[in-house]
Amino acid sequence: GQQLNQSPQSMFIQEGEDVSMNCTSSSIFNTWLWYKQDPGEGPVLLIALYKAGELTSNGRLTAQFGITRKDSFLNISASIPSDVGIYFCAGQKMGGGSNYKLTFGKGTLLTVNP
Amino acid sequence: DAGVIQSPRHEVTEMGQEVTLRCKPISGHNSLFWYRQTMMRGLELLIYFNNNVPIDDSGMPEDRFSAKMPNASFSTLKIQPSEPRDSAVYFCASSLERGYTFGSGTRLTVV
Repeated sequence: GQQLNQSPQSMFIQEGEDVSMNCTSSSIFNTWLWYKQDPGEGPVLLIALYKAGELTSNGRLTAQFGITRKDSFLNISASIPSDVGIYFCAGQKMGGGSNYKLTFGKGTLLTVNP
Repeated sequence: DAGVIQSPRHEVTEMGQEVTLRCKPISGHNSLFWYRQTMMRGLELLIYFNNNVPIDDSGMPEDRFSAKMPNASFSTLKIQPSEPRDSAVYFCASSLERGYTFGSGTRLTVV
């Protein structure tokens, strides 16, 4: 099936550092989403992006929908220990019978050292 | 809103046994998805329903897996017979249009 290339696979950073991760695809998406998964829980939506070029913030998180609609990035500023988890990007296409299907990246495992 | 509710949270079963996982989507959501998560494969879409109708089951691994959605507020994923390689976390998610809301998952261990 279709894959999103998410990088990096893992990151080990010090508390207070900024973090950046991204996703690329060979095909166009109409919506990009970023999720975070804590241990033992399901993924939780962090940010949703609906327009090419859109830049959206949610607290210390900032995400952008690439102009080509084939990529997106997520930045976390001034990381804290509770940022630890797995971050997933997801792309969604609308129309053509695939309105509801999300394609997920493999995830970025973030570890924050206090 | 209670979110997407999955049961059980944990299931340990012996190989060959039937396993049934349950999901209650968010009220008003018209799409429901079953995912499987493993370290090796990440999040895999097994099947999804739109207005209780199965739309795409191409991700269902084999005939041992089946899913039903008898009404808008309930879905089941059944594995019969279960095998050790089915051990994974199974997530249910629901959606209205954009984005999904996930349940907390069922961790299945088949021994």
